[in-house]
Amino acid sequence: EAGVTQSPTHLIKTRGQQATLRCSPISGHTSVYWYQQALGLGLQFLLWYDEGEERNRGNFPPRFSGRQFPNYSSELNVNALELEDSALYLCASSLDFGEPYNEQFFGPGTRLTVL
Amino acid sequence: KNEVEQSPQNLTAQEGEFITINCSYSVGISALHWLQQHPGGGIVSLFMLSSGKKKHGRLIATINIQEKHSSLHITASHPRDSAVYICAAVGQETSGSRLTFGEGTQLTVNP
Repeated sequence: EAGVTQSPTHLIKTRGQQATLRCSPISGHTSVYWYQQALGLGLQFLLWYDEGEERNRGNFPPRFSGRQFPNYSSELNVNALELEDSALYLCASSLDFGEPYNEQFFGPGTRLTVL
Repeated sequence: KNEVEQSPQNLTAQEGEFITINCSYSVGISALHWLQQHPGGGIVSLFMLSSGKKKHGRLIATINIQEKHSSLHITASHPRDSAVYICAAVGQETSGSRLTFGEGTQLTVNP
């Protein structure tokens, strides 16, 4: 069974541009989570989608946005890129949320560099 | 104060040593992950637990819900165990299934 996949592996953009990152969850998983790991910082929760809806978002500005498609894959869009957006962006997926908690499985990440 | 705190931040061991990494959290949780991150960034979930103890090979994870504390143990450590180990708490109810991460423990095992 294929794991969580992300594309591209690496992405280089310049300040002010837009970046689009993609995530395909494990087959059968409906929840997709996005996390950011900036250099020297810990992992931080960005966004959570389930069944096509945004369920929760972390403490990030509105220029971080995303969506989830009917096939449960997801896109993360970052507009008006700033230098500090350079980070590893990780996607995770799980079965639908609720009790008991369903384990999240992580993709390999997309490394975004903003010049 | 972070909601999830790990100790130590850095740990150097000799091959074969027994290793313990600690994680304390201040919020109510549904479960707790122990994650492993190798250079290059990929993250692997080692354990997900909500009570008691779990064991996979040389790795053991325990959690004490009342004390809000979890530990990851590595027995007979090996250089290939060198990685960053991260604990992540799963929020309850209103925060849904979002993970709150500790800052990670950089483990280096020397041959």
